[in-house]
Amino acid sequence: NAGVTQTPKFQVLKTGQSMTLQCAQDMNHEYMSWYRQDPGMGLRLIHYSVGAGITDQGEVPNGYNVSRSTTEDFPLRLLSAAPSQTSVYFCASSYVGTIGEQFFGPGTRLTVL
Amino acid sequence: LAKTTQPISMDSYEGQEVNITCSHNNIATNDYITWYQQFPSQGPRFIIQGYKTKVKNEVASLFIPADRKSSTLSLPRVSLSDTAVYYCLVGERSGGGADGLTFGKGTHLIIQP
Repeated sequence: NAGVTQTPKFQVLKTGQSMTLQCAQDMNHEYMSWYRQDPGMGLRLIHYSVGAGITDQGEVPNGYNVSRSTTEDFPLRLLSAAPSQTSVYFCASSYVGTIGEQFFGPGTRLTVL
Repeated sequence: LAKTTQPISMDSYEGQEVNITCSHNNIATNDYITWYQQFPSQGPRFIIQGYKTKVKNEVASLFIPADRKSSTLSLPRVSLSDTAVYYCLVGERSGGGADGLTFGKGTHLIIQP
């Protein structure tokens, strides 16, 4: 199993550009989520999904969109990048019955100039 | 979601046992206590989860008193590679409308030779 994979590992954007961060898992997990982590801070939940076709907002959803067309993939879209979105983004997945035990991807380091 | 409080940082030496305590005074009946470990430039990794009394796995032990208002993560005989940030989380183990995991700032554990 590859576990949770994220692409790209690094990305630099200019203010106003849009992009999609990819996340995929091969563990047949129903639950997937996106977090951002800023320097010296814990992780903050952006969006989550409990299954294909179902998404919901987390703590900091503004400026981000998600969709869940398949169980495996959960892309995160930045609509119009802003410097405040400079962060490290982590995708995670788990079974719905064990959300406390999530598997995290390696992260995407995003810089917005 | 129950708020957690844990020390910002701790120091110890190789070969010692390290105990990190987390307080969660407002823990709810359905909440579990979960600990994650995060190395620099990596996503968090699940360590251990428990509901009450003591839980032990190959990596750590988790002690939870009867009132469940605190918990202690115990790392036996630490090594330099245990230097990381440790997060204590409290929340429901499952749920279709989960709020995800709430990460605080964690405890930065530094192990010295």
